[in-house]
Amino acid sequence: DVKVTQSSRYLVKRTGEKVFLECVQDMDHENMFWYRQDPGLGLRLIYFSYDVKMKEKGDIPEGYSVSREKKERFSLILESASTNQTSMYLCASSLSAGRTYGYTFGSGTRLTVV
Amino acid sequence: TQLLEQSPQFLSIQEGENLTVYCNSSSVFSSLQWYRQEPGEGPVLLVTVVTGGEVKKLKRLTFQFGDARKDSSLHITAAQPGDTGLYLCAGDAGNNRKLIWGLGTSLAVNP
Repeated sequence: DVKVTQSSRYLVKRTGEKVFLECVQDMDHENMFWYRQDPGLGLRLIYFSYDVKMKEKGDIPEGYSVSREKKERFSLILESASTNQTSMYLCASSLSAGRTYGYTFGSGTRLTVV
Repeated sequence: TQLLEQSPQFLSIQEGENLTVYCNSSSVFSSLQWYRQEPGEGPVLLVTVVTGGEVKKLKRLTFQFGDARKDSSLHITAAQPGDTGLYLCAGDAGNNRKLIWGLGTSLAVNP
């Protein structure tokens, strides 16, 4: 089975801190995604990447950046954490470009910014 | 803006009952996916439907893609407590690699 692993299940950070969320997938998927999930707002796409060193903004990229130096790893960076970035963060991967395959999600990181 | 509307938003039923949840849009999708998410976990893909009118079955779950590929339904027969979770639909509009997500139907099956 494809596995997507997120480095932390729970994280508490202070306002203004730089926060790194790591995601690793083990099935050679080309596409990787970062979402945040909030009650009543659903899944919102922050950034995605369809190749190493490639990235594209999603619907809510402000306050975030990403890095994809290796195919299997996609990192989300909160440059200066704020309380409105308290959320559940989900990483996902999918197989191939040219057609949308099903996504495999990690278990999520619940981030609290205090 | 493409939207996927899911209904109902919340559903609480007794074990053994049948239910149907809906995913509707005014846009055409080249495929549509259904996921189930349990509390504190990421969504898990249940099925992808691709052809208009397609019906797929997964044990007690039946998925249908509308003829015009604008809507889909999920029917659960004889629901069990293990079916409890958030059911999400997601559509592929075909013009990029991103999915369009519904807000989900939160299902509680009581023993």
